[in-house]
Amino acid sequence: AQSVTQLGSHVSVSEGALVLLRCNYSSSVPPYLFWYVQYPNQGLQLLLKYTTGATLVKGINGFEAEFKKSETSFHLTKPSAHMSDAAEYFCAVSENTDKLIFGTGTRLQVFP
Amino acid sequence: ETGVTQTPRHLVMGMTNKKSLKCEQHLGHNAMYWYKQSAKKPLELMFVYSLEERVENNSVPSRFSPECPNSSHLFLHLHTLQPEDSALYLCASSQGRTRISYNEQFFGPGTRLTVL
Repeated sequence: AQSVTQLGSHVSVSEGALVLLRCNYSSSVPPYLFWYVQYPNQGLQLLLKYTTGATLVKGINGFEAEFKKSETSFHLTKPSAHMSDAAEYFCAVSENTDKLIFGTGTRLQVFP
Repeated sequence: ETGVTQTPRHLVMGMTNKKSLKCEQHLGHNAMYWYKQSAKKPLELMFVYSLEERVENNSVPSRFSPECPNSSHLFLHLHTLQPEDSALYLCASSQGRTRISYNEQFFGPGTRLTVL
């Protein structure tokens, strides 16, 4: 069965600092991987996705993620955090069905 | 309207009330989902409809009753809820795990439900 683990339910960074949100997955089929962001009282919005091809994926708002098959990881990074990045971030893997398997989420706080 | 819409955005109901949540997708997708998001808990998948047939029911109590009359609309009928059912209910849609969509899901803004 597929699963997603997000290490760290809370991450705090200073404005301008590097953001690193960790995601590890397990999958018995070639994975499709996603990062979603959720702002307070809103739905989830797609940040980026890995399907096939280039392992470094660029998304919206300056975020990027690298698919590392050997490490079964898909960590999300942003070189310089902005106050507006404060939100909850979810990693997800696509099963070989119509379902997405989500991680438990990481809440990102950005301090001035 | 574009994307996935949900109404109402906020709902307060008593335990004896009957209400319905509505979701509509304008993306031409063929799969729709209901999720429950409670404070400090992981996102819980409740129901999955594919081509208007229910393909997943994750042991959800019978006080939640889904309905999918067509591929664009999804309802969640609520009756005799409990205070612990208070949560954000999210609807999503997707084109399924195809070579085009890769099962990417598009979410609505959610309905914030409070059960008194």
